[in-house]
Amino acid sequence: SQKIEQNSEALNIQEGKTATLTCNYTNYSPAYLQWYRQDPGRGPVFLLLIRENEKEKRKERLKVTFDTTLKQSLFHITASQPADSATYLCALDNGGSQGNLIFGKGTKLSVKP
Amino acid sequence: GAGVSQSPSNKVTEKGKDVELRCDPISGHTALYWYRQSLGQGLEFLIYFQGNSAPDKSGLPSDRFSAERTGGSVSTLTIQRTQQEDSAVYLCASSPGTFYTGELFFGEGSRLTVL
Repeated sequence: SQKIEQNSEALNIQEGKTATLTCNYTNYSPAYLQWYRQDPGRGPVFLLLIRENEKEKRKERLKVTFDTTLKQSLFHITASQPADSATYLCALDNGGSQGNLIFGKGTKLSVKP
Repeated sequence: GAGVSQSPSNKVTEKGKDVELRCDPISGHTALYWYRQSLGQGLEFLIYFQGNSAPDKSGLPSDRFSAERTGGSVSTLTIQRTQQEDSAVYLCASSPGTFYTGELFFGEGSRLTVL
């Protein structure tokens, strides 16, 4: 079955720097991959989706890459701000089973002023 | 409604009691999902509905867990004879359909504490 690894449980960076979060999967290449943000005590909120035939997707200060050879997605936040502090979840298409999406455990990002 | 609504937001119960958690999806969304999130863990898939049918129940942890959806709208997740390991946040999400590859819209969750 598909497995997802988000390499860092926690990432601490300085305000203004670029945060880079990693999502690796182990099995078949998913048709698409999504990134969500989750704040404490709240439900996840969708950020970006990237499809298998797309190398890169951008939205404002966010950038996602998808490398099917490495079986990896990178999520970048440029010019990070303390308000970007949250847990970021990677989610993959699961080939149609279990409601289509499986989630990683997330990376908790802390941006220090 | 404007978003996915879940109730109760918090539930404290005693071991052995039954609990019901409710999810009201976004109007018009035919797909509805239940996930469980334990402390420090990722989202664990429980069950999803397409309309009133649940094609995949494989994520339910035990036969103490059941879920239903009526009228293609509201869903109820029932946990019978609760155990302490059932303590978690139960998240509901909806989407326009299971073949829709866009985002899932999540509610704020129901935090269950079993004493």
